[in-house]
Amino acid sequence: DSGVTQTPKHLITATGQRVTLRCSPRSGDLSVYWYQQSLDQGLQFLIQYYNGEERAKGNILERFSAQQFPDLHSELNLSSLELGDSALYFCASSPTGNTDTQYFGPGTRLTVL
Amino acid sequence: QQQVKQSPQSLIVQKGGIPIINCAYENTAFDYFPWYQQFPGKGPALLIAIRPDVSEKKEGRFTISFNKSAKQFSLHIMDSQPGDSATYFCAASMGTPLVFGKGTRLSVIA
Repeated sequence: DSGVTQTPKHLITATGQRVTLRCSPRSGDLSVYWYQQSLDQGLQFLIQYYNGEERAKGNILERFSAQQFPDLHSELNLSSLELGDSALYFCASSPTGNTDTQYFGPGTRLTVL
Repeated sequence: QQQVKQSPQSLIVQKGGIPIINCAYENTAFDYFPWYQQFPGKGPALLIAIRPDVSEKKEGRFTISFNKSAKQFSLHIMDSQPGDSATYFCAASMGTPLVFGKGTRLSVIA
């Protein structure tokens, strides 16, 4: 158990809908990262937050947004969902903004029908 | 420049064998090379990591070999066991974020 928690574990929704994925980092970790894992693309970095501020941005679509709250938990919002958004979404955390060691949560499996 | 190329895609070895997974990178600014292990239904877990100032690092049955001039690094699993059956990802970083290879699905058969 990495100490990173993610909810929900599974999410099934329809095209055009909006969902929110939640992540709680390990105790004391200030950075949260979001990744998308699909069969053909592997693990793709989406976005990083450090102590409430956006630190780095990857291949995140404009339909997706994230934030980190004062208690350091983070939410990833996915809107206008398409079939191709079906994937595993992982959250990871690390102690600082520049720490390479990242601890991954168990993931949220999103299925868009 | 940001890619990490991983091979093979899948690998089957007998128990006790030494599977080797290879990764290559282009960006010479990368200075941290971790390997992650992922079991079905779980998130990736850090296995072992290396920095370019050393050519080899061992932790238990897992060894990373690093060739800076060739821009390649590899994972060796000694005395592999069925419990090692998982997907392995290499990654590279120059601080943050991690750039991952596409993964190698390893099956260790008894």
